[in-house]
Amino acid sequence: EVQLVESGGGLVQPGGSLRLSCAASGFTLSSYWMHWVRQAPGKGLVWVSHINTEGSTTSYADSVKGRFTISRDSAKNTLYLQMNSLRAEDTAVYYCARDGVGTIDLDSWGQGTLVTVSS
Amino acid sequence: QSALTQPASVSGSPGQSITISCTGTSSDVGGYKYVSWYQQYPGKAPKLIIYEVTNRPSGVSNRFSGSKSGNTASLTISGLQAEDEADYYCSSYRTSSTWVFGGGTKLTVL
Repeated sequence: EVQLVESGGGLVQPGGSLRLSCAASGFTLSSYWMHWVRQAPGKGLVWVSHINTEGSTTSYADSVKGRFTISRDSAKNTLYLQMNSLRAEDTAVYYCARDGVGTIDLDSWGQGTLVTVSS
Repeated sequence: QSALTQPASVSGSPGQSITISCTGTSSDVGGYKYVSWYQQYPGKAPKLIIYEVTNRPSGVSNRFSGSKSGNTASLTISGLQAEDEADYYCSSYRTSSTWVFGGGTKLTVL
């Protein structure tokens, strides 16, 4: 069974840093493109970042470019999102999601982890 | 990076059909076949219900269907059921290896 489990969320002060993890099971993470998507409280889904199978290509939403870094550890079958210079508007539930093979869609999602940026 | 445009809410009675639109540009919806739709219940993770404009993943009811014309994609739910009451989001691949979601549509089953 495909499973994605996010962790690492919590309360952080503005300007602080946090690293989110997404542990994958039931499939090999390095064989799939992966994404991070966030959802502010009561708001819609917003795409954040993507990484390809080799980890050689990454992309980011303009709102996080230069502050967030996506990466993966094949040995641990885990996806990461390093978040620096956090702002109040980064407050959201962060989901990791798997991209489908041969298609471009998010076919499996984790349960999400809440990041709250507040003083 | 502006979001795709969806109606904030739609409603319908059980048994009826409803359609949710998703309008983008030639750089996303109109330029690629990679439009997908997601269903989300409150407090839950989104679930893929349509991919590549018209395709349903295994296990998704055939009451859900997708289409596209120009820069606008649509999700149609036929034979509306109470369990369909949820939020629905469209998404599209966009130029330069980025993705974009719609603002979401709240479906109310009357």
